[in-house]
Amino acid sequence: GAVVSQHPSRVICKSGTSVKIECRSLDFQATTMFWYRQFPKQSLMLMATSNEGSKATYEQGVEKDKFLINHASLTLSTLTVTSAHPEDSSFYICSAIRTSLNEQFFGPGTRLTVL
Amino acid sequence: AQTVTQSQPEMSVQEAETVTLSCTYDTSESDYYLFWYKQPPSRQMILVIRQEAYKQQNATENRFSVNFQKAAKSFSLKISDSQLGDAAMYFCAYRSTGNQFYFGTGTSLTVIP
Repeated sequence: GAVVSQHPSRVICKSGTSVKIECRSLDFQATTMFWYRQFPKQSLMLMATSNEGSKATYEQGVEKDKFLINHASLTLSTLTVTSAHPEDSSFYICSAIRTSLNEQFFGPGTRLTVL
Repeated sequence: AQTVTQSQPEMSVQEAETVTLSCTYDTSESDYYLFWYKQPPSRQMILVIRQEAYKQQNATENRFSVNFQKAAKSFSLKISDSQLGDAAMYFCAYRSTGNQFYFGTGTSLTVIP
């Protein structure tokens, strides 16, 4: 099946620093990728839709200046958490739509801890 | 925005028995997809089954089947012959025409040996 990878799988950073998370579709091209946030024992919350070659679309309540998304190629989307604070600590999951299969494939997630 | 509701935070089932997980959703769209995903402790989301709204026939994948009631906006998952490996969080999800996915709050399934 299709594979989506995320890097890093875990990251710990100091408050005030920025962290970049990469999401790659390994064996297919994805014009659309999604970024989710998941708090412990809670559901996935859609943060934004990442479109290759254009600006991301953010869900209501998500600060676009804090969560910068860049979809520079058909296989890579990045999420940068800027000026991270402890409340940004969470599990971040990306997904990619494989158009030919009309199916969404999820990455394994990135656990961010902000000290 | 679409909302997805899972009213059962936790469910348990005896091994080899059958369990049904409930899901309801709210939408004004007529064409959409519904999904059940499984999230084991590894946190990797795994597709269990999906249903196209325009299809009246309920989807089936081996031991997993759904009861899709479009008018009632209900989409329940039935797991037959439950196995220990079925223990996980199960999320119901709605995919809009814009390809955005919206997830329910999840049901934690425990399988009792």
